[in-house]
Amino acid sequence: AQTVTQSQPEMSVQEAETVTLSCTYDTSENNYYLFWYKQPPSRQMILVIRQEAYKQQNATENRFSVNFQKAAKSFSLKISDSQLGDTAMYFCAFMKHRGSGNTPLVFGKGTRLSVIA
Amino acid sequence: DTEVTQTPKHLVMGMTNKKSLKCEQHMGHRAMYWYKQKAKKPPELMFVYSYEKLSINESVPSRFSPECPNSSLLNLHLHALQPEDSALYLCASSQDLATGKTEAFFGQGTRLTVV
Repeated sequence: AQTVTQSQPEMSVQEAETVTLSCTYDTSENNYYLFWYKQPPSRQMILVIRQEAYKQQNATENRFSVNFQKAAKSFSLKISDSQLGDTAMYFCAFMKHRGSGNTPLVFGKGTRLSVIA
Repeated sequence: DTEVTQTPKHLVMGMTNKKSLKCEQHMGHRAMYWYKQKAKKPPELMFVYSYEKLSINESVPSRFSPECPNSSLLNLHLHALQPEDSALYLCASSQDLATGKTEAFFGQGTRLTVV
């Protein structure tokens, strides 16, 4: 079974600074996808960024980027120029891919990020 | 339209009540999901529908009964719930479990309180 570990239950960052959220995972699969989802107090889970395991290039999405280390099974999220609206719970998630289809997301326990003015 | 709409947003029900949660998407997604989320915890998968057929049931008690009437709708029927079933219930959809289209889109959830 796949497991996703987020070792930082809570983090805080000053507005406009950079913060990195950690995520490690365990799998024997070779084809899979990794995601970071954001859940603000409004409750809705919002996709922040995704990474295909077969791609060596790290995904970026505006102020959000990842450091994907496949051999180390590490998938950290860097948020640059942090904004107050980034305050949320962040979940790292894993999805394995097979020829017969993908499987549902497996989530880590989450990191609560607070951006301080 | 990239929305997954869930109704109601809040629901309070007694242990003897029967109620239903509804989820709707018009993105043409063929996989739909129910998750249960307790406070400060990650979502836990309950059910997966693929092409309107139940493909995964994560050993959920029978007091939760899912239904997928068509490719756009997903219901969760609730009966004889317990107070510990109080949680946020999230619906999600993705294009197809069998393709490379992997993004799951989530609704805002239904906050359920069982009294």
